[in-house]
Amino acid sequence: AQSVTQPDIHITVSEGASLELRCNYSYGATPYLFWYVQSPGQGLQLLLKYFSGDTLVQGIKGFEAEFKRSQSSFNLRKPSVHWSDAAEYFCAVGRSGTASKLTFGTGTRLQVTL
Amino acid sequence: DADVTQTPRNRITKTGKRIMLECSQTKGHDRMYWYRQDPGLGLRLIYYSFDVKDINKGEISDGYSVSRQAQAKFSLSLESAIPNQTALYFCATSDLMRQDSSTDTQYFGPGTRLTVL
Repeated sequence: AQSVTQPDIHITVSEGASLELRCNYSYGATPYLFWYVQSPGQGLQLLLKYFSGDTLVQGIKGFEAEFKRSQSSFNLRKPSVHWSDAAEYFCAVGRSGTASKLTFGTGTRLQVTL
Repeated sequence: DADVTQTPRNRITKTGKRIMLECSQTKGHDRMYWYRQDPGLGLRLIYYSFDVKDINKGEISDGYSVSRQAQAKFSLSLESAIPNQTALYFCATSDLMRQDSSTDTQYFGPGTRLTVL
């Protein structure tokens, strides 16, 4: 069965600093991978997704993620964090061929200090 | 206007009451989903539907039922609510185009916060 691990429950970074949120997945075939962001009191917004092809994926709001099959990872990065990036971030994996029946990680809460 | 709407946004109810949460979408998607979110547990799938005549259980369907009244509407019911069903509930939609799997992405509603006393 597929699973997702986000090892960091809570991360604090200073505004302007770089950010990397970790995501490790377990899935036997080629996974579909997603990062979602949830701002306080809001629903989930898709940041980016990986289906195939280039392993470095660009998303919205200046985020990117890199798929590394050898490490079963899909880490999210941003070179310079803004205070508005404070939110909870979820990594998710779907079965190859479809994003249906996503399995979500437990989330990483990002705090940004000024 | 939002593409995926959920009503109500907040609900407080008592143990044993029947509750219905509603989801509507204007995206024209065939697939709809219900999740619950609990602190520290992420999102877990309750039920999903790939079209009007298709209903499937997710990983935590016990105590819940659903109804797909139309392509655009998918309701979640708690027949007899209990306190451990207190959570944030999300509806989502997706649309798999066979020729282009890169379009297959789930879009989420704003959530319904349910409290069972």
